[in-house]
Amino acid sequence: EDQVTQSPEALRLQEGESSSLNCSYTVSGLRGLFWYRQDPGKGPEFLFTLYSAGEEKEKERLKATLTKKESFLHITAPKPEDSATYLCASPGPQGGSEKLVFGKGTKLTVNP
Amino acid sequence: DTGVSQDPRHKITKRGQNVTFRCDPISEHNRLYWYRQTLGQGPEFLTYFQNEAQLEKSRLLSDRFSAERPKGSFSTLEIQRTEQGDSAMYLCASSFGRGGQDTQYFGPGTRLTVL
Repeated sequence: EDQVTQSPEALRLQEGESSSLNCSYTVSGLRGLFWYRQDPGKGPEFLFTLYSAGEEKEKERLKATLTKKESFLHITAPKPEDSATYLCASPGPQGGSEKLVFGKGTKLTVNP
Repeated sequence: DTGVSQDPRHKITKRGQNVTFRCDPISEHNRLYWYRQTLGQGPEFLTYFQNEAQLEKSRLLSDRFSAERPKGSFSTLEIQRTEQGDSAMYLCASSFGRGGQDTQYFGPGTRLTVL
């Protein structure tokens, strides 16, 4: 069964302290790896899609990278407003389901 | 606002009652998805429409759950005879399917509490 696993479950950083979140997946024939941000009580907000190993995408203080087995979300010099739960997700293989399989998320807290 | 909208945002009901949620997707999107999310978990897939056709249902979707998208625009999700275990955030997403994987954009969710 296709699985997406995120680590750590929770991460506390001081403002300006850079770190990385991990997402490992077991989907064969990857059709994309998606990153979302979710604030409490709200729906997930799309951040990035990565399609092939070696691909990188950036947005402000966030950079997402992809290897053959995992993806990293690097957060550089985070600010308190970056506090949220970060979710990664992947669809099934080509010709399979269109559903996204999500990890449980990493809850990031950035202290001022 | 041209994003996905959901109504109501919050619903409190008593066990055994029926509830219905509505989702309005982004206007040009032909695919619509329903997910359920409980505390500390990622969203779990429930069902998916392409235009008005319901193409996939999760085994999580018991007989008490039914979803429709009658004209390929908005969708409704009905839960009959609600149970306390149905308490969750119900999320709707939409995408513009072009074959291959496309990006799903989520609405704000409907928080259901079953007493």
